[in-house]
Amino acid sequence: EVQLVESGGGLVKPGGSLRLSCVVSGFSFDSYTMNWVRQAPGKGLEWIASISKSSDYIYYADLMRGRFTISRDNAKNSVYLQMDSLRAEDTALYYCVRWGNWNYDYWGQGTLVTVSS
Amino acid sequence: QTVVTQEPSFSVSPGGTVTLTCGLNSGSVSSSSYPSWYQQFPGQAPRTLIYSTNSRTNSRASGVPDRFSGSILGNKAALTITGAQTDDESDYYCFVYLGGGIWVFGGGTKLTVL
Repeated sequence: EVQLVESGGGLVKPGGSLRLSCVVSGFSFDSYTMNWVRQAPGKGLEWIASISKSSDYIYYADLMRGRFTISRDNAKNSVYLQMDSLRAEDTALYYCVRWGNWNYDYWGQGTLVTVSS
Repeated sequence: QTVVTQEPSFSVSPGGTVTLTCGLNSGSVSSSSYPSWYQQFPGQAPRTLIYSTNSRTNSRASGVPDRFSGSILGNKAALTITGAQTDDESDYYCFVYLGGGIWVFGGGTKLTVL
């Protein structure tokens, strides 16, 4: 069974940092591009970043570039999202997502990040 | 900044047909945009409905009823639900490729079936 389990969310003050983790199981992790997607409360989906199988290709949404860093450790079946200089508008549910056959075929349950003083 | 546009809301009667669209504020959505469609119910993660939409074909994700279909209509991607059911009441998001490794979700359409 394919599973993606995010962790690392929580309450952080504006300007602070958080590192999200996503551990996967049930598939060959190093064969898939992985992504992070977020959803602010009551709002739509927002693509954050993607990282290729061997970390050769990394891309970010314009709003996140420079503050967020995506990385992966294939030996640990894990993908990460380092988030710095956090703002109130970064408050959201953050999903770890597998890029399958030209679509996001598996999603985690999400980890909630709240940025507030 | 490129914005992916969707109708904020739509209403359809049970058994009716509805077409949701997905466009760009500048430019066109085409098969090269690799448009896909996701359905999301409150409190749940999204699930794929349609992917690899082009003018001739589209791929339906596993388990998705054939009343859902995707297409390219003019300069937009479209999701058509034929014979809508009350269970189809949810949020629908399109997702497109802008190039240079950059992808964007549309703002979503809240579909009401009544």
